[in-house]
Amino acid sequence: DTGVSQDPRHKITKRGQNVTFRCDPISEHNRLYWYRQTLGQGPEFLTYFQNEAQLEKSRLLSDRFSAERPKGSFSTLEIQRTEQGDSAMYLCASSLGPGMIPYEQYFGPGTRLTVT
Amino acid sequence: QQQVKQSPQSLIVQKGGISIINCAYENTAFDYFPWYQQFPGKGPALLIAIRPDVSEKKEGRFTISFNKSAKQFSLHIMDSQPGDSATYFCAASTYGGSQGNLIFGKGTKLSVKP
Repeated sequence: DTGVSQDPRHKITKRGQNVTFRCDPISEHNRLYWYRQTLGQGPEFLTYFQNEAQLEKSRLLSDRFSAERPKGSFSTLEIQRTEQGDSAMYLCASSLGPGMIPYEQYFGPGTRLTVT
Repeated sequence: QQQVKQSPQSLIVQKGGISIINCAYENTAFDYFPWYQQFPGKGPALLIAIRPDVSEKKEGRFTISFNKSAKQFSLHIMDSQPGDSATYFCAASTYGGSQGNLIFGKGTKLSVKP
């Protein structure tokens, strides 16, 4: 399977704990995006990487959130001191990058986070 | 400020009918407009996309109509099937630009009745 993969698929944590999610993009894709989706809403952009460089962060990405893509391949998203409002589906997507065809973003299955 | 407005919020269509979902955008810098299909518990799956240099794009039973002057675009699902029952999202971005992150509408939940 050469699609975008995410791990874990589900995570239940207690408020105040730290959590880390992993995303493996499609191998030849150099852009990687993180989105958050709450129930009944469309995905909202959090941040994106061009290779290993983090180029843009949304104002939704508070100081408790950090993302890395150390070798330009997989990426991790960490949430520190989780809050109940962090409960959501965290989606990863990848694409070939600017000006390249095709430019479509392909999404992974998501990580469902529940903070109790 | 919602940059992409999607309607209707929900839609019920009989099997074999035509499903129509509409989106409107505000930012004239947008030049890439994809539609995604999402089933419960799954990630969004790219369905079809259009750029504003064409007014219509068709792939199988799915057609995007684009009206640049009105800043509107729509998805038509012909011969709708129960398997099409899902949530559909329109989105917009700047194609090949410095960002390219997608701005999504709020979604339309489609139910196709047998």
